[in-house]
Amino acid sequence: KNEVEQSPQNLTAQEGEFITINCSYSVGISALHWLQQHPGGGIVSLFMLSSGKKKHGRLIATINIQEKHSSLHITASHPRDSAVYICAVWTGTASKLTFGTGTRLQVTL
Amino acid sequence: KAGVTQTPRYLIKTRGQQVTLSCSPISGHRSVSWYQQTPGQGLQFLFEYFSETQRNKGNFPGRFSGRQFSNSRSEMNVSTLELGDSALYLCASSPHDRAGYGYTFGSGTRLTVV
Repeated sequence: KNEVEQSPQNLTAQEGEFITINCSYSVGISALHWLQQHPGGGIVSLFMLSSGKKKHGRLIATINIQEKHSSLHITASHPRDSAVYICAVWTGTASKLTFGTGTRLQVTL
Repeated sequence: KAGVTQTPRYLIKTRGQQVTLSCSPISGHRSVSWYQQTPGQGLQFLFEYFSETQRNKGNFPGRFSGRQFSNSRSEMNVSTLELGDSALYLCASSPHDRAGYGYTFGSGTRLTVV
């Protein structure tokens, strides 16, 4: 079992829909990152969380440390949100990022 | 403010050759980490450097090595290339002495081994 699990693996939505991507992890962490990767490869860091909730524009990220679970929400989705979203956890003891397998999101008109 | 710069963007090498990839972090960032991304294994941690010292290494063979210079620029080297080394190699920089907080990623180097 991977230390970081994401669901769903693939997601297709229509423009305007509310989207949720989930991330569960099995190790103790110091921080959790949500990353966005567009075709071509470049990765953008969206959020870093250690507790609670963060919001940036139409994106909202939450984390529940006790349940070892985080969610990324996209409100009013748009085709430009089409990308792979990756959850990554920082474990201080291992001093490295461990990544989920990613969620491929396609938003259609 | 310039971002993280990786060179080259694309590279084609032959099995058995060696390759050196470069990463220039954001000015003032002293931590640089490297990652390999393949369709089969996803993103995997290679190594992390801070102030010219390797602080952590992922589970990769010794053919994969790296270093960091006094100006924080970093290079990674892969010797005796294998077909399975074909991947996108990404580096990320951080201003923090305990990298794990606040990463900026480069656009990556796509290596194809033929």
